[in-house]
Amino acid sequence: EVQLVESGGGLVQPGGSLRLSCAASGFNFSDYSMNWVRQAPGKGLEWIYYISSSSGSIYYADSVKGRFTISRDNARNSLFLQMDSLRAEDTAVYYCARDAYNFVGFDYWGQGTLVTVSS
Amino acid sequence: QSVLTQTPSASGTPGQRVTISCSGSSSNIGSNYVYWYQQLPGTAPKLLIYRNNQRPSGVPDRFSGSRSGTSASLAISGLRSEDEADYYCAAWDDSLSGYVFGTGTKVTVV
Repeated sequence: EVQLVESGGGLVQPGGSLRLSCAASGFNFSDYSMNWVRQAPGKGLEWIYYISSSSGSIYYADSVKGRFTISRDNARNSLFLQMDSLRAEDTAVYYCARDAYNFVGFDYWGQGTLVTVSS
Repeated sequence: QSVLTQTPSASGTPGQRVTISCSGSSSNIGSNYVYWYQQLPGTAPKLLIYRNNQRPSGVPDRFSGSRSGTSASLAISGLRSEDEADYYCAAWDDSLSGYVFGTGTKVTVV
């Protein structure tokens, strides 16, 4: 069974840092591209980061440029999101999502982890 | 600010057909596949439609997708109470070099 489990969320002050993790199981993690998608409270979905299976291609949204960094460790079946210079508007539930082959979309999602940026 | 525009809400009675629209541009819907995601209250999104009109296994054939030019639509036929959810379209955007989601449509079964 495919599972994606995010962790690392919590309360952080503006300007602070947080590192999110996404533990993958039930599939060959190193074969799949991955994404981070966030959802502010009561708002819609916002894609923020993509990383290819080998980390050779990375794309990101302008809203996180220069502040967030995506990475992965295929040996540990894990995806990461390093978040620096956090702002109040970064408050959201952060989901990791698997990017299926052949343009099948984000076929599996984690349950999400809440990040709250507040003083 | 979402690049793909959806009507905020739609509603219908059980058994009715509801259609949700998604408007984009030549850099996203006009040149790339459209995906649809369903988000039930308090849960993570779920893939509903891929490659404009394909359903993953397990998704009822009551859900259908289509694309025409720079717009796409999701139709739900035989509406059921469990279809009450938020629905989002998505596509890759060549100009932004990233995925973009629609603004979301809340479907209510009255």
